[in-house]
Amino acid sequence: KQEVTQIPAALSVPEGENLVLNCSFTDSAIYNLQWFRQDPGKGLTSLLLIQSSQREQTSGRLNASLDKSSGRSTLYIAASQPGDSATYLCAALSYNTDKLIFGTGTRLQVFP
Amino acid sequence: EPEVTQTPSHQVTQMGQEVILRCVPISNHLYFYWYRQILGQKVEFLVSFYNNEISEKSEIFDDQFSVERPDGSNFTLKIRSTKLEDSAMYFCASSGPLADGEAFFGQGTRLTVV
Repeated sequence: KQEVTQIPAALSVPEGENLVLNCSFTDSAIYNLQWFRQDPGKGLTSLLLIQSSQREQTSGRLNASLDKSSGRSTLYIAASQPGDSATYLCAALSYNTDKLIFGTGTRLQVFP
Repeated sequence: EPEVTQTPSHQVTQMGQEVILRCVPISNHLYFYWYRQILGQKVEFLVSFYNNEISEKSEIFDDQFSVERPDGSNFTLKIRSTKLEDSAMYFCASSGPLADGEAFFGQGTRLTVV
């Protein structure tokens, strides 16, 4: 049974710092892994999707990596801004299932 | 940019009442999902729907829940007799045309059962 955990649970940093958010999954037989952003009381915005055959994906200041053998993905945020403040969720899609398994998220606050 | 839209954004209902949550997935997507998030908890899977039938459902998705794609654009979640513990944010999502495609989520419907 796939389980996804994220550390840290919360992070508060000054503007401009480079950040690493961690996501671990127990079953390495994943189809893909997706990172989302969630603002308070709002929906999930897809940030990056990494297929199982890929090692990383980049979008602007965001870079996500995937290491299936160690069961880990990281989301790297460069030059953080106050507008990056949100909860970041990772979710794994395993083979032979339709469901995304979500982590508990990392709540990020970037202060000016 | 195409998006998943959900209505209503907030619904308050009395315990025991039926509710229908509505979603319009992205038009060329073939896979549709409902997830929910109880306040302060993880996002959890309810059901997936493909080719006009349920392809997978979780233990949460019992006989009180049903899904329907009544026409070519809408996707609905019905809760037959709501309980207090059904209070949550309900998210609709769609993906495709491939099964391993990126999942796009709607803004959610906050359901409050009183």
